[in-house]
Amino acid sequence: DAKTTQPTSMDCAEGRAANLPCNHSTISGNEYVYWYRQIHSQGPQYIIHGLKNNETNEMASLIITEDRKSSTLILPHATLRDTAVYYCIAATTGTASKLTFGTGTRLQVTL
Amino acid sequence: DAGVIQSPRHEVTEMGQEVTLRCKPISGHNSLFWYRQTMMRGLELLIYFNNNVPIDDSGMPEDRFSAKMPNASFSTLKIQPSEPRDSAVYFCASSLSRLAGTTDTQYFGPGTRLTVL
Repeated sequence: DAKTTQPTSMDCAEGRAANLPCNHSTISGNEYVYWYRQIHSQGPQYIIHGLKNNETNEMASLIITEDRKSSTLILPHATLRDTAVYYCIAATTGTASKLTFGTGTRLQVTL
Repeated sequence: DAGVIQSPRHEVTEMGQEVTLRCKPISGHNSLFWYRQTMMRGLELLIYFNNNVPIDDSGMPEDRFSAKMPNASFSTLKIQPSEPRDSAVYFCASSLSRLAGTTDTQYFGPGTRLTVL
């Protein structure tokens, strides 16, 4: 699976959009970009995933560059409850997707 | 659905004792994953099963660790004998794995916090 690179930490004011970048320059054609987050002391939570098109769901939007070498997770209106570690993962498909978690980005949402 | 269920939520034991962690995946899911999380090493995949069969156990640290999945609704992770360095949070996750070319979202349980004294 391709390695991903994320900033160690970011801050965001409550109510503002949080834009979390991720580099995956070695991603292969059949690897999806997944985003998970982990709120303190809880299990990781799935947010969104995509292959090459931009995706949106009730939690977030995922913007993937045309060359697929990077992506951005957007939380449109961050709240204090969005404070968490966010993981960007490039994973192959198949009979069982294997996720390799890096160190992620620690997002701190402040008043 | 109740989600992935793990037990116990907390376990404190003494070095040398046997520890068994339990996981009940989401009903209908056919893949199950065991992860370990520590401050030093982050979140690591230990082993995963597909249709109750172990697919990849390359992340299992050593022979003291073993995992079983006797049926589609239950899995165990056993450590025998336990050591202080095994202290960590152990997560179980499940997914519905379909044909190649599709994606499989993993759903995580709340974890078991293990402390080995």
